[in-house]
Amino acid sequence: GQSLEQPSEVTAVEGAIVQINCTYQTSGFYGLSWYQQHDGGAPTFLSYNALDGLEETGRFSSFLSRSDSYGYLLLQELQMKDSASYFCAVRDRKGSYIPTFGRGTSLIVHP
Amino acid sequence: DAGVIQSPRHEVTEMGQEVTLRCKPISGHNSLFWYRQTMMRGLELLIYFNNNVPIDDSGMPEDRFSAKMPNASFSTLKIQPSEPRDSAVYFCASSTDGQGSTEAFFGQGTRLTVV
Repeated sequence: GQSLEQPSEVTAVEGAIVQINCTYQTSGFYGLSWYQQHDGGAPTFLSYNALDGLEETGRFSSFLSRSDSYGYLLLQELQMKDSASYFCAVRDRKGSYIPTFGRGTSLIVHP
Repeated sequence: DAGVIQSPRHEVTEMGQEVTLRCKPISGHNSLFWYRQTMMRGLELLIYFNNNVPIDDSGMPEDRFSAKMPNASFSTLKIQPSEPRDSAVYFCASSTDGQGSTEAFFGQGTRLTVV
C-alpha cells in the first residue's frame, strides 16, 4: 500500500516564503506530483518530479529526494490567491500515470 | 478543449435511490479516473480505466458502486442504492497514457448529498 504524510495546515503572510513537506512510503515509486485545490474547485496540476532535485516554475518550486522518500513544494512571494489546499501525489506504477494523493495541506495566507 | 466535463454539478437524493454521475474526458486522453473526496478520507481513487477497460477497481467501496466506460468519450459512476455515507464530492479525471504522461486533468466534480 501507500502512505503519504503532509502537514494538515500551514499559515503565512503575504510576500513570505512557505514550504510544504511530503513524506511517502510506497511499494513502487516513479514520481511525485503536486496539485492545488481552491475551496469548491477541482485539483489542478502544479508540478511533477521523477528525479532528485529542484524543479522551478515561476513562484513555485518542487523538490524531490528519492533516497529520503521526501519532497516539498516551495511557494515564494505569497499572494492571497495562494490560499488553497495543496496535495502531494505519488506515482507508484510503471507506465500509466495514476496519482495516489495525500490528505492535503491547507495553506492560509494572511495580509 | 473544454476540459473534463462532469454532470450534474450537484445532486441531492434520498437514501435508497439510484444515483448516476457522468463524465466526458478530454478528447484523446485514454486514461480515466474516478476519485471521491471527503474530509475524513481525503481524495481516494475509486477506479481507473485505460482505453475504456477497467484496470483497477480496488478502490470501489462496495458492490453498490459500479462504473462503466462504453466509449472513449463517456463514463458513468453509479451508486445503487445510495446511502448517507456516500455523500462526498466525486471527481472524474483524465490523462494521456504511458511513461511520458505526468498530469491528470480534473473535472469540476459532482457534489453528492444523500439524505
